[in-house]
Amino acid sequence: DTEVTQTPKHLVMGMTNKKSLKCEQHMGHRAMYWYKQKAKKPPELMFVYSYEKLSINESVPSRFSPECPNSSLLNLHLHALQPEDSALYLCASSQEGVSNQPQHFGDGTRLSIL
Amino acid sequence: SQKIEQNSEALNIQEGKTATLTCNYTNYSPAYLQWYRQDPGRGPVFLLLIRENEKEKRKERLKVTFDTTLKQSLFHITASQPADSATYLCALFMDTGRRALTFGSGTRLQVQP
Repeated sequence: DTEVTQTPKHLVMGMTNKKSLKCEQHMGHRAMYWYKQKAKKPPELMFVYSYEKLSINESVPSRFSPECPNSSLLNLHLHALQPEDSALYLCASSQEGVSNQPQHFGDGTRLSIL
Repeated sequence: SQKIEQNSEALNIQEGKTATLTCNYTNYSPAYLQWYRQDPGRGPVFLLLIRENEKEKRKERLKVTFDTTLKQSLFHITASQPADSATYLCALFMDTGRRALTFGSGTRLQVQP
């Protein structure tokens, strides 16, 4: 079991739907991340939250909207997604957002856009 | 621009042998480099972190080296087992301002019994 919990594990949605991905950690970490991973590719950074503030947005389309309600929770709101958005969405956390700290990943949400 | 390359997309070895995976980077000199393992359908799991002034770091059957002159890290698994079969990813911070990891493309290791 991982210490970062992501729900749901699988999600199928139409292009007009609105859904949310959720991520939770109780390790007291103050940096949280969203990554997108396509098959046989490495994770690609989407967003970084540091102390509950958005610190990095990797030019992600506005149909993806992150939210950090508190230091333990991270959401990714989805709206009007495209078929190419189908991927594994990974959440991660680290003690703080610095290079000498490991990141702890959840097992992801497998998203399919019809 | 900064690039992180893992030379082999896939590596097949026999059980009991040593697996050696390579990670090369360009332009930037990171202070730290990390290695992760990822199994199919799972998130990456942190394995080892090495600092720029550390030549080598070990953890059980794992060994990582970091050569800042060659801009290269080597990841070794000794006495490999079928359970070591997975994708291995190196990762580093691209620059001090960005404060985020960028991953290499990964090497898929298959250990044959």
